[in-house]
Amino acid sequence: GENVEQHPSTLSVQEGDSAVIKCTYSDSASNYFPWYKQELGKGPQLIIDIRSNVGEKKDQRIAVTLNKTAKHFSLHITETQPEDSAVYFCAAISKRSTLTFGKGTMLLVSP
Amino acid sequence: ETGVTQTPRHLVMGMTNKKSLKCEQHLGHNAMYWYKQSAKKPLELMFVYSLEERVENNSVPSRFSPECPNSSHLFLHLHTLQPEDSALYLCASSQDRGLNQPQHFGDGTRLSIL
Repeated sequence: GENVEQHPSTLSVQEGDSAVIKCTYSDSASNYFPWYKQELGKGPQLIIDIRSNVGEKKDQRIAVTLNKTAKHFSLHITETQPEDSAVYFCAAISKRSTLTFGKGTMLLVSP
Repeated sequence: ETGVTQTPRHLVMGMTNKKSLKCEQHLGHNAMYWYKQSAKKPLELMFVYSLEERVENNSVPSRFSPECPNSSHLFLHLHTLQPEDSALYLCASSQDRGLNQPQHFGDGTRLSIL
């Protein structure tokens, strides 16, 4: 089945810096890659997703890139703010239409 | 504000108790999911329902019993749980159970087994 690896497990940045979280996947048939943000005491919230027919997608300060050949995708957050502090999860959908998640990255943005 | 509501938010129970977790989605979706979230582990898919029919059961112990009476409601019945079952249980829904379908999560039930 699908295997998703996510790095780093923790990331500390200063407010205003950029943050990058990287994921790799194993199933070359996967073609949908969502990113979730989970704040303390809440469930994961979808923040951006990308499908395999595009290489990059942007939404304000958030962007995701996908390299299907290398089977990796990344989340980029620019001009980070303290409210960006949370745990971020990448995921991939396999042939069985099952979402496989990475282990998460705890992002801490210091003022 | 989430379109997926889970109750209760917190639950403490003994190993011999029977309790149920409830999930309700207001998004008009046809597929619903139960996940288990433990510390330092990826989210684990437990059950999938599509149009009220269970389509996937990921080798979950029988002490967890799901029920989907209609496309808006999903329950997880619990009995004789073990301490290692303490975790955050998340419900999610998607328009359909297919490729490229984003899943929307509730805020979970934090379960503690004494």
